[in-house]
Amino acid sequence: QTVVTQEPSLTVSPGGTVTLTCASSTGAVTSGYYPNWFQQKPGQAPRALIYSTSNKNSWTPARFSGSLLEGKAALTLSGVQPEDEADYYCLLYCGGAYVFGTGTKVTVL
Amino acid sequence: EVQLVESGGGLVQPGGTLRLSCAASGFTFSSSYWIHWVRQAPGKGLVWVSRIHTDGTTTTYADSVKGRFTISRDNAKNTVYLQMNTLRAEDTAVYYCVRVRVGAASVEVDNWGQGTLVTVSS
Repeated sequence: QTVVTQEPSLTVSPGGTVTLTCASSTGAVTSGYYPNWFQQKPGQAPRALIYSTSNKNSWTPARFSGSLLEGKAALTLSGVQPEDEADYYCLLYCGGAYVFGTGTKVTVL
Repeated sequence: EVQLVESGGGLVQPGGTLRLSCAASGFTFSSSYWIHWVRQAPGKGLVWVSRIHTDGTTTTYADSVKGRFTISRDNAKNTVYLQMNTLRAEDTAVYYCVRVRVGAASVEVDNWGQGTLVTVSS
């Protein structure tokens, strides 16, 4: 079964930039995996941020962007705000089924 | 406003059954949306569970629930169900229903419900 791996934790300063990645155990992530990204804060349901690699959901702030980077899906946060502190998950479409990444805890410090 | 409201969670003994419901509103339920179930064990990450197509005839399951869980939908009631049989302790989690729009070259996950907690314990 496919395993999707993310950095366990990242720390960024307010106003800084951080890039999270999402790797598949089966090889390079391509647009055909339709990467989606989600943000989850404690005690809340996840919230969608990015779909199909780089498209923003209608409520997604401009400082969030998605891309493919060296065989992985990537989520970049630019001009990080304190409220961006949260867990972030990617989701890949893997041949009929879907697999979530292991999640990244982003700390703003 | 799109809303997905889960219900039916609770405490059940190992080997027991439970049926979750996801009531949808604010959009044309029978149009081109898949509805998925995703779960999250306490303090753990998100895990994809199952999905069902608009027409109710196409379904997919994660290996961990295949043969035990059944997803279905009633378009007349704008509701998706997850029938969970032979429950195990490791099925303990918050279960979310999620709306997904699939296009020719796009998969867009957008709206999530608030979740319902399932606890499997004796």
